[in-house]
Amino acid sequence: DTAVSQTPKYLVTQMGNDKSIKCEQNLGHDTMYWYKQDSKKFLKIMFSYNNKELIINETVPNRFSPKSPDKAHLNLHINSLELGDSAVYFCASSQVGGADGYTFGSGTRLTVV
Amino acid sequence: QKEVEQDPGPLSVPEGAIVSLNCTYSNSAFQYFMWYRQYSRKGPELLMYTYSSGNKEDGRFTAQVDKSSKYISLFIRDSQPSDSATYLCAMSRSGGSNYKLTFGKGTLLTVNP
Repeated sequence: DTAVSQTPKYLVTQMGNDKSIKCEQNLGHDTMYWYKQDSKKFLKIMFSYNNKELIINETVPNRFSPKSPDKAHLNLHINSLELGDSAVYFCASSQVGGADGYTFGSGTRLTVV
Repeated sequence: QKEVEQDPGPLSVPEGAIVSLNCTYSNSAFQYFMWYRQYSRKGPELLMYTYSSGNKEDGRFTAQVDKSSKYISLFIRDSQPSDSATYLCAMSRSGGSNYKLTFGKGTLLTVNP
């Protein structure tokens, strides 16, 4: 049973389109995150939610909007996609305080053409 | 200066070698230190976790933290081809609901049979 699952795994789309990535965790964690991994493998936090409340919002363009309908789900909607948005997007979850680290999903590879 | 610096490698070693991976950091407020392993096209998985300074051993893996030098290490003994992956160091300032991990860029390790 997958702990943190993301859909879709791959997403190829044209510039200007709007797309969503979904994430679900069944670990009972209170906190969920979106990270972006660029072509050089650098992982950078975008957002975190604790029990449906937005906690961290790094300097991410307004075209990116996270939504957490409940503490087990955190979705990412991206408007007006740009070439530079091409990356792997990882969802992760942890207990509050992250005392035992993050559990990551397997990633969504987004390619904007 | 980046908060977390990690030599990206690549690092190539023969099977059975001892591998040393390192990160330096600039933020003296970091207290939690982790190592993640990421196989190609997969999400990062937590390998080792330490709090503050000291050593921690788990099987063939040893993590060391030297807060006075702002330097952390991961040692892999008797390296195996299955250890071939990207290793990411990560650290955070504190727990709490605004907990976030800051990652190094990762070191690509190849263990040759």
